Amino acid sequence: EVQLVQSGAEVKKPGESLTISCKGSGYRFSSSWIGWVRQMPGKGLEWMGFIYPGDSDTRYSPSFQGQVTISADKATNTAYLQWTSLQAPDTAMYYCAAGIAVDNFFDHWGQGTLVTVSS
Amino acid sequence: EVVLTQSPANLSLSPGERATLSCRASQSVTSFLAWYQQRLGQAPRLLIYDASTRASGIPARFSGSGSGTDFTLTISSLEPEDFAVYYCQQRSKSITFGQGTRLEIK
Repeated sequence: EVQLVQSGAEVKKPGESLTISCKGSGYRFSSSWIGWVRQMPGKGLEWMGFIYPGDSDTRYSPSFQGQVTISADKATNTAYLQWTSLQAPDTAMYYCAAGIAVDNFFDHWGQGTLVTVSS
Repeated sequence: EVVLTQSPANLSLSPGERATLSCRASQSVTSFLAWYQQRLGQAPRLLIYDASTRASGIPARFSGSGSGTDFTLTISSLEPEDFAVYYCQQRSKSITFGQGTRLEIK
């Protein structure tokens, strides 16, 4: 069974750094794009970027380029989303999602990680 | 950036009725378009990809059509579990999502 399991909810202060994770199982992790999607409270879905773990090719949405870093570790089948300095508008649910049976569409999703940034 | 505009923003229907949701792209995305369902408090679920192909395990009452700039998701007879928010997504030029259509019980 394919699973994407994300790390738990986080509460951070403005200016702090954060890395959240998404561990894949039940498929060839290195052979499928895995991406991140933001959903701000009460709002829609926003694609942030994705990575191909096999060669670490990474693509970012222009809206998120330079704001976050996406990485992956093939040895542990885990993808990461990293911030160096969080701000209040980063408060959102973050989903990882992979296109496993379908290219560049997301047919498997993690359960989401809620990030709250508040002083 | 390809902008996807979904209409209507909100749709009120009764169980058993037919639902028709629209997604219009600001430029052609050929058939590289998908539809997702997001129930309250849950992660999105892929319903349709490549404009008209049902994803694995998706009931036959869901169908997609269109190409180029105009796309439609049709739910032939609404079940109680179908009341949710629906998003379209294109992958022709980078990736973008529409703003969503909220399908609510009348």
